[in-house]
Amino acid sequence: DAGVIQSPRHEVTEMGQEVTLRCKPISGHNSLFWYRQTMMRGLELLIYFNNNVPIDDSGMPEDRFSAKMPNASFSTLKIQPSEPRDSAVYFCASRSGATNEKLFFGSGTQLSVL
Amino acid sequence: GESVGLHLPTLSVQEGDNSIINCAYSNSASDYFIWYKQESGKGPQFIIDIRSNMDKRQGQRVTVLLNKTVKHLSLQIAATQPGDSAVYFCAESFANNDMRFGAGTRLTVKP
Repeated sequence: DAGVIQSPRHEVTEMGQEVTLRCKPISGHNSLFWYRQTMMRGLELLIYFNNNVPIDDSGMPEDRFSAKMPNASFSTLKIQPSEPRDSAVYFCASRSGATNEKLFFGSGTQLSVL
Repeated sequence: GESVGLHLPTLSVQEGDNSIINCAYSNSASDYFIWYKQESGKGPQFIIDIRSNMDKRQGQRVTVLLNKTVKHLSLQIAATQPGDSAVYFCAESFANNDMRFGAGTRLTVKP
């Protein structure tokens, strides 16, 4: 298994531009999580999906952020318009639907908004 | 709101010594706990987990202890090696819902 796959690995953009981060969870996993990591706030949960349905998006910073999961093998996190304070590493993670199972993380997307 | 927190932000140990990393949690309803290791430039990697019906679980060179009375979690690493240098996070979950992470502890192993 290739694990959780995120793209791009690095993204540099200018303030005001739209940014789309992509994630392919592990095959067979039906829960998907998006986290943001910064030095100041650590690992923050943004949103998570069960069976492609968003369950809790209370961690999404503001309306500029949106996440979708159109099918079991793909999710996107979009920021529009992006701002310098969005600069962070964004991680996607997945797990099986069994009770209390560990998350498997992707390698993350390093986002820099200039 | 309730959150997971760590007592020590940094820990420096000598190679070969045992390491103990601590974590306090405040949600008494949490029923599942995990320790993750994160190396520079990588995503968090699973180390060991424990369910709330247990107070100790052992893996290879690692042991997790759970004290529900004081809501405390610890990770013990035996015979710490340079490759153990990383940031360690505890995480908690309730009823298989979201998973929340603590602030992290940086472990540095001195040769």
